[in-house]
Amino acid sequence: DAGITQSPRHKVTETGTPVTLRCHQTENHRYMYWYRQDPGHGLRLIHYSYGVKDTDKGEVSDGYSVSRSKTEDFLLTLESATSSQTSVYFCAISRGLAGVDTQYFGPGTRLTVL
Amino acid sequence: KNQVEQSPQSLIILEGKNCTLQCNYTVSPFSNLRWYKQDTGRGPVSLTIMTFSENTKSNGRYTATLDADTKQSSLHITASQLSDSASYICVVRRNNNAGNMLTFGGGTRLMVKP
Repeated sequence: DAGITQSPRHKVTETGTPVTLRCHQTENHRYMYWYRQDPGHGLRLIHYSYGVKDTDKGEVSDGYSVSRSKTEDFLLTLESATSSQTSVYFCAISRGLAGVDTQYFGPGTRLTVL
Repeated sequence: KNQVEQSPQSLIILEGKNCTLQCNYTVSPFSNLRWYKQDTGRGPVSLTIMTFSENTKSNGRYTATLDADTKQSSLHITASQLSDSASYICVVRRNNNAGNMLTFGGGTRLMVKP
């Protein structure tokens, strides 16, 4: 399962509050990703990281920031949560040869913004 | 626009029956296509990956096909089991070196009934 954990697994918060989700991996993978999954949409990339302190935006990055100060941890922050950010968030890593690498996903975090 | 469309959106079959899920894509430039299985409440898990030159690939009772000319793929499940109940997601990788190279379909939700 690529040793990926996410915390918390569930969170309910109120509009306007800051929220941080944590992704932790134990296998020293360079690439890490944050996705959100919503009904009627495929998984959509929020941000990704290609090394410590190296991050880039995905297709739905507005309202989100990330940080990666250690190889094993990739944090996703909602500075001021909105109801539209209610979703299931998945962290992923890439494993394998470039171009045919496979993404392995964490168990997900279900976030509800009231 | 890079898109991945899956059909049907949902499917109910009886245990022991076969079924075929479809995936059409407009992603360009194409690198490879993956099928993932996602159990309820869990992250997606890779079933198979197919490159441009591969027409068919099997993984146990799962057989994926790819027609790169028509930009279509299918996932055939043989002798279905209750444990096959899940969402099946088609994912296409673009041929670039950026981290945001995957386009996800919305998935087909399969329910296998006894």
